[in-house]
Amino acid sequence: DAKTTQPTSMDCAEGRAANLPCNHSTISGNEYVYWYRQIHSQGPQYIIHGLKNNETNEMASLIITEDRKSSTLILPHATLRDTAVYYCIVREGNFNKFYFGSGTKLNVKP
Amino acid sequence: NAGVMQNPRHLVRRRGQEARLRCSPMKGHSHVYWYRQLPEEGLKFMVYLQKENIIDESGMPKERFSAEFPKEGPSILRIQQVVRGDSAAYFCASSLNRVSGQETQYFGPGTRLLVL
Repeated sequence: DAKTTQPTSMDCAEGRAANLPCNHSTISGNEYVYWYRQIHSQGPQYIIHGLKNNETNEMASLIITEDRKSSTLILPHATLRDTAVYYCIVREGNFNKFYFGSGTKLNVKP
Repeated sequence: NAGVMQNPRHLVRRRGQEARLRCSPMKGHSHVYWYRQLPEEGLKFMVYLQKENIIDESGMPKERFSAEFPKEGPSILRIQQVVRGDSAAYFCASSLNRVSGQETQYFGPGTRLLVL
C-alpha cells in the first residue's frame, strides 16, 4: 500500500539542521507530496507540501528532486520540541486518502 | 479561527456499549476524514465524507462502524457493540477542497477510546 519509503529513525543534534529523506518513486501526474509530524500522541500537524518546486515556510523547507521520485524535509535549526514522528505522504488515488505509513522518528538531542 | 475540534477527548466504554465520536471541521471546510491509530502504529484511513455524503469508506470495518456528516452539525463516527480491539485513538481531519494541492488536511486532537 505504501507509496513512500522513509528511514525508521534519525538522530539530530539540537541547533543543527535535520534532513529527513523520503522516496516516492511511483508518484505520478499532479500528485503533491505532503509532510506531517506527530508529536507524542497528539494529532498530526501539517508542515509543508509541494509539487515540483522547492518550498519553504516558517516551519521547514521541502526539496523535491527534478524527477520527483524523492524529497527531503529540512528543519533548519532543530530544537528539542521537534522530536516527533515525521510522515511523508502522497495522496492515494482520486480521493483524499492519506496513507501515513510508519514515518521517521526524529530524535533531537541536546 | 478555531481548528478542528473533537469530543470527547477521552471515552471509556464497556464491551457491548456504543461509542459516539464527534468532529467539528475547521470553519469553511466541507470535507471530513476519520483515521484510527492503534498503539505504536501509524494512522489508518477509515472514511472520507462531504456534507451528507460518504465519498470513500474503504478503510472502515463493514460491521459495527458507521459515519455521517449531516447538513447541520458535526460529523459523527459511531461504533456499535464495542470490543477491546476498538481501543485506539481516533483522529478527525478536515480540508477545504479536494482539488490537488488544495487538499491539505488539518487534524483535530483526537479521541482516545478505551474499551474495558
